Amino acid sequence: AQKITQTQPGMFVQEKEAVTLDCTYDTSDPSYGLFWYKQPSSGEMIFLIYQGSYDQQNATEGRYSLNFQKARKSANLVISASQLGDSAMYFCAMRNSGNTPLVFGKGTRLSVIA
Amino acid sequence: DTEVTQTPKHLVMGMTNKKSLKCEQHMGHRAMYWYKQKAKKPPELMFVYSYEKLSINESVPSRFSPECPNSSLLNLHLHALQPEDSALYLCASSQDPTGLLFYGYTFGSGTRLTVV
Repeated sequence: AQKITQTQPGMFVQEKEAVTLDCTYDTSDPSYGLFWYKQPSSGEMIFLIYQGSYDQQNATEGRYSLNFQKARKSANLVISASQLGDSAMYFCAMRNSGNTPLVFGKGTRLSVIA
Repeated sequence: DTEVTQTPKHLVMGMTNKKSLKCEQHMGHRAMYWYKQKAKKPPELMFVYSYEKLSINESVPSRFSPECPNSSLLNLHLHALQPEDSALYLCASSQDPTGLLFYGYTFGSGTRLTVV
């Protein structure tokens, strides 16, 4: 079974600064995918970034990058140049290979301060 | 079309009512999912449909009844719900439910359900 752990219930960051949201995972499957989603107060889950277990390079998508440390089983999200619109709940999630659904961590609430 | 559309956005129902939530996607995705999300909690998986067949039921009470009439449409029929069933119900779809190909899920904006 897979497990996702997010240990930061809430984070604050100054506008235009970078912030790192932590995520660790546990799985016995060598093939898996890691995802980050953003959920604003409106409720929609917005896909941000994906990292595959066999990917050699860390994933990047615009201001989002994923610090993937496979040996430590961590997949931290880095948001650069924070904006007020980044204030939201952020979920780390993973899937194992085969017909296994997405499993979410408990989430981190990010607040960007002007 | 890269959206998952959920209707209604808000629903208030009594404990004796019967209602349905609807989810639609036209991206050709072959897997569809229902998640339940209580306030300040992560989404919890309820059901998975893979190629229009129910493949996972996470021990959900029978007062929730899913239905997948075709590859684009997913319904969740509600009957005799309890106040504790009040939550945000999220629908999602993904391109490939099996194998080594990992695709992110596309989520709808959810239905906020209140049971009174």
